[in-house]
Amino acid sequence: GAVVSQHPSWVICKSGTSVKIECRSLDFQATTMFWYRQFPKQSLMLMATSNEGSKATYEQGVEKDKFLINHASLTLSTLTVTSAHPEDSSFYICSARTREGLGEQYFGPGTRLTVT
Amino acid sequence: AQTVTQSQPEMSVQEAETVTLSCTYDTSESDYYLFWYKQPPSRQMILVIRQEAYKQQNATENRFSVNFQKAAKSFSLKISDSQLGDAAMYFCASRTSGNTPLVFGKGTRLSVIA
Repeated sequence: GAVVSQHPSWVICKSGTSVKIECRSLDFQATTMFWYRQFPKQSLMLMATSNEGSKATYEQGVEKDKFLINHASLTLSTLTVTSAHPEDSSFYICSARTREGLGEQYFGPGTRLTVT
Repeated sequence: AQTVTQSQPEMSVQEAETVTLSCTYDTSESDYYLFWYKQPPSRQMILVIRQEAYKQQNATENRFSVNFQKAAKSFSLKISDSQLGDAAMYFCASRTSGNTPLVFGKGTRLSVIA
């Protein structure tokens, strides 16, 4: 089956610094990647949709200058949390959609971000 | 806009028994897809089952089956012969055709009692 990886799986950073999370589709080309945020015991909240070679489309309420998304290739998308604050601490999940057929959406294992 | 509603925050089932998780959705589109995802403690999202709205036949995957009631916009998940490994959060999700994202319900936490 299709595999999506995320790196790092867990990161701790100091308030005010930036952190980058990578999302890779390992065995398929993904024209579209999605970034979700999940708070404890809550559902996944869509942050943005990223199409290869295009600017990401952000959901209402998501600061695009704070959460920078780059989708430079068909297998890599990155989420950079800039000037992180403790309230940015969360679980971030990326998802990549295959180009073919139903357009199955596969999920990465997630990244736990803790801002101190 | 699509919405997905899961009205059961928590459910429990005895091992080997059957449990049904409820989900309703709302969409103005005629072409859409419905999904159930499982999120175990590892937090890796796992696709359990999917249903294309144009298909009348309910999808089944081994011990997992759905009851898709299109007119009622209902999409419940039945887990038969429940196993301890079925304990997880279950999310119902939908999306329309085209390059649209999945919309998730709030989830149902399923406990399996040995």
